[in-house]
Amino acid sequence: QVQLQESGPGLVKPSQTLSLTCTVSGGSISSGDYYWSWIRQPPGKGLEWIGYIYYSGSTYYNPSLKSRVTISVDTSKNQFSLKLSSVTAADTAVYYCARDFGVGAGFDYWGQGTLVTVSS
Amino acid sequence: QSVLTQPPSASGTPGQRVTISCSGSSSNIGSNTVNWYQQLPGTAPKLLIYSNNQRPSGVPDRFSGSKSGTSASLAISGLQSEDEADYYCAAWDDSSLVFGGGTKLTVL
Repeated sequence: QVQLQESGPGLVKPSQTLSLTCTVSGGSISSGDYYWSWIRQPPGKGLEWIGYIYYSGSTYYNPSLKSRVTISVDTSKNQFSLKLSSVTAADTAVYYCARDFGVGAGFDYWGQGTLVTVSS
Repeated sequence: QSVLTQPPSASGTPGQRVTISCSGSSSNIGSNTVNWYQQLPGTAPKLLIYSNNQRPSGVPDRFSGSKSGTSASLAISGLQSEDEADYYCAAWDDSSLVFGGGTKLTVL
């Protein structure tokens, strides 16, 4: 059974960089069959896709966040990570990592989500 | 506002059939497949329908999806109290994945 688990600070100061890691268990990121993604949900609001990474390191980003986002992968640790720079209160959200079985094919496994609050 | 348009709310009584619409354009629903997610309160979303009308293993056949042109629909038949949740459609749009704004389904 594939499991994803987000980890990282729950509080980030404005203008700083938000950093999260997703650890995948029960399956290998390097299998090449899937795309690994970050999605966020501001409190009481809808879902917003942040971006994908493939095991090779190829990335796709949401154009609205592209200038601030970096997603990377560490196949040796079976992890992928998110960095979002210059954060503001608008970046406060529950951040989910998820597995997609093709670009836009469907997120079949999700992490439980982690709330990141941007506040001084 | 979201690229994909969903009604903010829907409701039905137990046993009823309800449908939730998702309206898009030629750059998203019109040229790509649609997925649907169910999000129960306080939990991560769950894939309900993929590739317009396919159900992942374990999803009851009470849930069905369809697509026509630039619109898609999710139908839930034999409504149950545990179906009370938020529902989101999603599709690829040019170079980005987009979600609908979500529909809150209330079981009366």
